[in-house]
Amino acid sequence: NAGVTQTPKFRILKIGQSMTLQCTQDMNHNYMYWYRQDPGMGLKLIYYSVGAGITDKGEVPNGYNVSRSTTEDFPLRLELAAPSQTSVYFCASSYSLGPSTDTQYFGPGTRLTVL
Amino acid sequence: AQTVTQSQPEMSVQEAETVTLSCTYDTSENNYYLFWYKQPPSRQMILVIRQEAYKQQNATENRFSVNFQKAAKSFSLKISDSQLGDTAMYFCAFMIPPLLRGAQKLVFGQGTRLTINP
Repeated sequence: NAGVTQTPKFRILKIGQSMTLQCTQDMNHNYMYWYRQDPGMGLKLIYYSVGAGITDKGEVPNGYNVSRSTTEDFPLRLELAAPSQTSVYFCASSYSLGPSTDTQYFGPGTRLTVL
Repeated sequence: AQTVTQSQPEMSVQEAETVTLSCTYDTSENNYYLFWYKQPPSRQMILVIRQEAYKQQNATENRFSVNFQKAAKSFSLKISDSQLGDTAMYFCAFMIPPLLRGAQKLVFGQGTRLTINP
C-alpha cells in the first residue's frame, strides 16, 4: 500500500489564482481530513469527510472547498489564493466504524506559497 | 473548546541521554485520547504513542513512554536512550472520541523542536 499520497509537493501561486491539492489513500479508510500547518505552529483542521459524499467544516475552512466523490480521493480547492494561505497542507485518513478510535495516517504534505 | 499547550519551543540533548517533552491540555471532558506525533525534516507526521484517558497505566512504545497525569491535565513524553534519528518536531495532540460515525478531530499543540546531538 502507498498509504496517503499528496500532489503536488510544492507549489507557488500568485494572489487570486486557484488550484486543487490532490489527496488519495489506498487503505479503504472512510474518514479523510485536510490540515494546514503554519510556520512554528501545530496543525489545524480545515475540512473533513466521514465518507463519500459527506463533508464538513473544521476549524479554519474559509477560503477552501472540498469534495468527496469516491472513498479514495479527497481534493482540496483553493479559490482566489491569498498570502494568508501560505502554509504546508496535510491530508490524513483513518478508519472508524462505530465509536471506535483509530490512528490518523498522514500524507507527506504540500508546501504552498502565495505571492 | 479544548486547547493543547507545549511550553518548550526547543530542546537539545546529547545522544543516549533521556529527554522529557512537556504537554498540558485543557478540557472539561472525562473521556478522551492523547497522542504524540513526530515530524522529522521530511515533514511526514508519524504517530509515536497514544494514551486513552480512561486507562491509568501509562503507555509505552519501546524507548518512548508517557507520564499521564489526568488530574493535572499533563501528558509528557519521555524518550530514553535518545538517538540521532529522534531529531524532529514533536506535537502533542488531543481528541475526544467521536460519536457514532463522527469524525476524529485532533487538536494539536504548537510543537517542540528536539535536536539530538552526537
